[in-house]
Amino acid sequence: NSKVIQTPRYLVKGQGQKAKMRCIPEKGHPVVFWYQQNKNNEFKFLINFQNQEVLQQIDMTEKRFSAECPSNSPCSLEIQSSEAGDSALYLCASSQGYAEQFFGPGTRLTVL
Amino acid sequence: AQSVTQPDARVTVSQGASLQLRCKYSYSGTPYLFWYVQYPRQGLQLLLKYYSGDPVVQGVNGFEAEFSKSNSSFHPRKASVHWSDSAVYFCAVSVDNYAQGLTFGLGTRVSVFP
Repeated sequence: NSKVIQTPRYLVKGQGQKAKMRCIPEKGHPVVFWYQQNKNNEFKFLINFQNQEVLQQIDMTEKRFSAECPSNSPCSLEIQSSEAGDSALYLCASSQGYAEQFFGPGTRLTVL
Repeated sequence: AQSVTQPDARVTVSQGASLQLRCKYSYSGTPYLFWYVQYPRQGLQLLLKYYSGDPVVQGVNGFEAEFSKSNSSFHPRKASVHWSDSAVYFCAVSVDNYAQGLTFGLGTRVSVFP
């Protein structure tokens, strides 16, 4: 079973509000991924890190989304100004790099 | 770019019957292939993986899958399902590079009836 921890499990925000979620990867996994899963089961890769450095990110995350993985602290994904279309399950996964990714339970964001 | 197709959005089976899921991928290079299962209100759990070698791989919960390069497919099967196998199953592909994101199919919802 995965040992990736995500908090909070549920997040409700109004439009324009900030939404922040956190992830603790499995011990020994240097790579962390963030995905967005919408209600139609479409997954979107958002960003990934190796230790504290960003490896890849999509354009969307460069505008309203910000993420970081500081040393000795949980990784975080923050939406600066939430929109209704941001309502989704946000999944964090960790990996040793070439190997499979292990997912946390997700943070379900609802933007009212 | 790679893509994944799961042609069956829903599958219904009786408890004790066999289950066959389908996944086709599109990628010109060497794919890493995965199946994940998602139970209600939970994240994704790894079910099966294929990197190279023997095309038949064993997974967890009694699942096995066969990789076919000629058909670009990675289909899992379970000989006898239980009601607890009811979940959404996702096929995913990654390219053969370090720390690559996964590309997922849209999932197959499996309902097992007693």
